[in-house]
Amino acid sequence: SQQGEEDPQALSIQEGENATMNCSYKTSINNLQWYRQNSGRGLVHLILIRSNEREKHSGRLRVTLDTSKKSSSLLITASRAADTASYFCANFGNEKLTFGTGTRLTIIP
Amino acid sequence: GAGVSQSPSNKVTEKGKDVELRCDPISGHTALYWYRQSLGQGLEFLIYFQGNSAPDKSGLPSDRFSAERTGGSVSTLTIQRTQQEDSAVYLCASSLDRVASPLHFGNGTRLTVT
Repeated sequence: SQQGEEDPQALSIQEGENATMNCSYKTSINNLQWYRQNSGRGLVHLILIRSNEREKHSGRLRVTLDTSKKSSSLLITASRAADTASYFCANFGNEKLTFGTGTRLTIIP
Repeated sequence: GAGVSQSPSNKVTEKGKDVELRCDPISGHTALYWYRQSLGQGLEFLIYFQGNSAPDKSGLPSDRFSAERTGGSVSTLTIQRTQQEDSAVYLCASSLDRVASPLHFGNGTRLTVT
């Protein structure tokens, strides 16, 4: 399967703490993206990390990429209640974008 | 500007009926994807259109599913002889090019087959 595996499947943390979620693929990584989904509807793009990059920052988001391990991680620092959502990684492999299984993040106020 | 628009937002149909789901991508976006998402699950790739190239249909689950993209713009996903297991949210997304551009998603069509 080309689908990415994400862990943990679900994560609950206190507001203000950091949240880390991981993503891995069996196929090679090519321009890895992270998305957020609220309420089971459309996804919103968060950040893209190119295959030749190892780390990227955007506001409270930090993404790392290890192409040798075919894996990526997303760190959200200083979490807020509004960060409660599902987070998905997506890899452009085999000429199309395939998504991971997702991590459901709950921030406890 | 306008985002990706999907219609209808909700569709309830009886088992065995055909349904058509519509997607209006962002103007100028050459890539268009359809995904399916069952409750609490990840996104299952269905089909991918890129410019004038032949679409990648490798994710369509059966021959009851088909999709068209007319004039490089609007796309229609058709499900014939719907089954209860077809119940899901069908998401459409478009992007500016193939590899490095983010996808812009519509809000999806929630399909319920009774």
